[in-house]
Amino acid sequence: QKEVEQDPGPLSVPEGAIVSLNCTYSNSAFQYFMWYRQYSRKGPELLMYTYSSGNKEDGRFTAQVDKSSKYISLFIRDSQPSDSATYLCAMEGSGTYKYIFGTGTRLKVLA
Amino acid sequence: GAGVSQSPSNKVTEKGKDVELRCDPISGHTALYWYRQSLGQGLEFLIYFQGNSAPDKSGLPSDRFSAERTGGSVSTLTIQRTQQEDSAVYLCASSWGGAQETQYFGPGTRLLVL
Repeated sequence: QKEVEQDPGPLSVPEGAIVSLNCTYSNSAFQYFMWYRQYSRKGPELLMYTYSSGNKEDGRFTAQVDKSSKYISLFIRDSQPSDSATYLCAMEGSGTYKYIFGTGTRLKVLA
Repeated sequence: GAGVSQSPSNKVTEKGKDVELRCDPISGHTALYWYRQSLGQGLEFLIYFQGNSAPDKSGLPSDRFSAERTGGSVSTLTIQRTQQEDSAVYLCASSWGGAQETQYFGPGTRLLVL
């Protein structure tokens, strides 16, 4: 079993929809949770990060962490065609430097 | 300022040949990471540099893979006697160093071994 599980998709939604992307993990030592966005033929770029359970909001994006369930989510409100990309969750244990990535979910927002 | 750059952007080689992939990190970043991204596999950690030393090489898949970093800046990932299963996108990232510093990624080198 992988340390981080993520549904690869693809996920197709109409423009304006609310998108929910999720990851589960098995290592309770993970303390730092991130979402990266990767456009086709580009490197991943950091979208959001959070250290603890709860919600963090940034514009149309909300990151949610539930440590008790070992489950993290990224919500995208009012999705746009420009949000079409692969979204990767990543995690790091406290005091380490090594990020463990999910496989990524391909999202397509249809105009 | 300039981001992380990688060269070449694409590389096609024949099985058994050696290849060198280059990474230029963001100026001043002390930490440098190499990852491999294969279809459906996500990003696989290969090696981490702090300055010129590599405290963790645990992700290198075999002794055909090696990496070095000189002057605390440019890094080269070398794959000897390439195999078809080495075909992937090789991504480099850099950060200010330390845990939980944002890693900034380059665009990657797409390697195809025929």
